[in-house]
Amino acid sequence: AQSVAQPEDQVNVAEGNPLTVKCTYSVSGNPYLFWYVQYPNRGLQFLLKYITGDNLVKGSYGFEAEFNKSQTSFHLKKPSALVSDSALYFCAVRDIRDVDKIIFGKGTRLHILP
Amino acid sequence: SQTIHQWPATLVQPVGSPLSLECTVEGTSNPNLYWYRQAAGRGLQLLFYSVGIGQISSEVPQNLSASRPQDRQFILSSKKLLLSDSGFYLCACSDRVNTIYFGEGSWLTVV
Repeated sequence: AQSVAQPEDQVNVAEGNPLTVKCTYSVSGNPYLFWYVQYPNRGLQFLLKYITGDNLVKGSYGFEAEFNKSQTSFHLKKPSALVSDSALYFCAVRDIRDVDKIIFGKGTRLHILP
Repeated sequence: SQTIHQWPATLVQPVGSPLSLECTVEGTSNPNLYWYRQAAGRGLQLLFYSVGIGQISSEVPQNLSASRPQDRQFILSSKKLLLSDSGFYLCACSDRVNTIYFGEGSWLTVV
């Protein structure tokens, strides 16, 4: 069965500094990987996805993520953090062998300090 | 792109009462549909998913049930709510390989 781990409950970054939110996954086949952001009392918004191709994926709001098959990771990154990036971030995985099921990590709360 | 409607947006129900949360989808046909629960603003727990009308897969045994009476309608139900059923319920839809899109959620408080 597929699973996702987000090892950090919270990440604090000073505004203007680079940020990384970590995600590792476990699947039996090849993964489809996703990042979402959630603002208070709202649904989840899609940021970016990796299906196939280049390991570096660029998404919304200047975010990017790097797929690393050997480390089974898909960390979310941004070169320069904004206070408005403060939110809850979720990593998700679909296993190509069980594509109908989509599993999310427990989320990482990102605080950008002014 | 898909639009997902969920209602009611908020609900306060007594313990032991029934529940019905509804979700409808526009802008796509034959989608996969999902119900997730988020407790205390944290992780998403997959409750049910459906790949077609009348086809429901349950991920977590509990007193909730789901039904899909029409292609773009997904309903979450309970006959008797428990306090532990409180949470933020999210409906979502997707095709078989691509992005999953979410509704705005329904807040359920069981008192």
